[in-house]
Amino acid sequence: DSGVTQTPKHLITATGQRVTLRCSPRSGDLSVYWYQQSLDQGLQFLIQYYNGEERAKGNILERFSAQQFPDLHSELNLSSLELGDSALYFCASSFREDTEAFFGQGTRLTVV
Amino acid sequence: AQSVAQPEDQVNVAEGNPLTVKCTYSVSGNPYLFWYVQYPNRGLQFLLKYITGDNLVKGSYGFEAEFNKSQTSFHLKKPSALVSDSALYFCAVRGGFKTIFGAGTRLFVKA
Repeated sequence: DSGVTQTPKHLITATGQRVTLRCSPRSGDLSVYWYQQSLDQGLQFLIQYYNGEERAKGNILERFSAQQFPDLHSELNLSSLELGDSALYFCASSFREDTEAFFGQGTRLTVV
Repeated sequence: AQSVAQPEDQVNVAEGNPLTVKCTYSVSGNPYLFWYVQYPNRGLQFLLKYITGDNLVKGSYGFEAEFNKSQTSFHLKKPSALVSDSALYFCAVRGGFKTIFGAGTRLFVKA
């Protein structure tokens, strides 16, 4: 158990809908990262927060947004969902930005 | 911008033989380099990292990696492979605030 908790584990939704994925980092970790893993795209960095502030953005679509709350948990919001958004979404956390990240089990999103 | 390349989609090795999973990187400044492993339906697990110091880094489960600055490589190695090492391996590099992962290399260890 990495100590990073992601909910829900599985999510099935229709095209055009909006979903929210939730991540609770390891106790004491200030950085939260979001990644998307799909078969054809590998592991893609989406966004990083550090202590509530956005630090880096990767290949995150405008339909996607995220935030990190004062209690350090984070949410990834995906809207106007398309079939191609079906993927495994991972959250990871680290204590500092130069330390290793610990990954949650992921949320498997299926858009039908 | 930083990048990571894992040139092999798949590596096959017999149990008991040494294994190498290759990784090359490009980053401005000093690199922070990581290896992670992913088992089916699981999140990534940290194996080892290079920040500074000795070029040979030892990590979990008997894995080690060699940092080579001139070749910009960070290959993962293990002297004697186990069937249970079969998994997907990711190399990652941190530059600035982003950690970028390679495409992954699937390791198959045959008994």
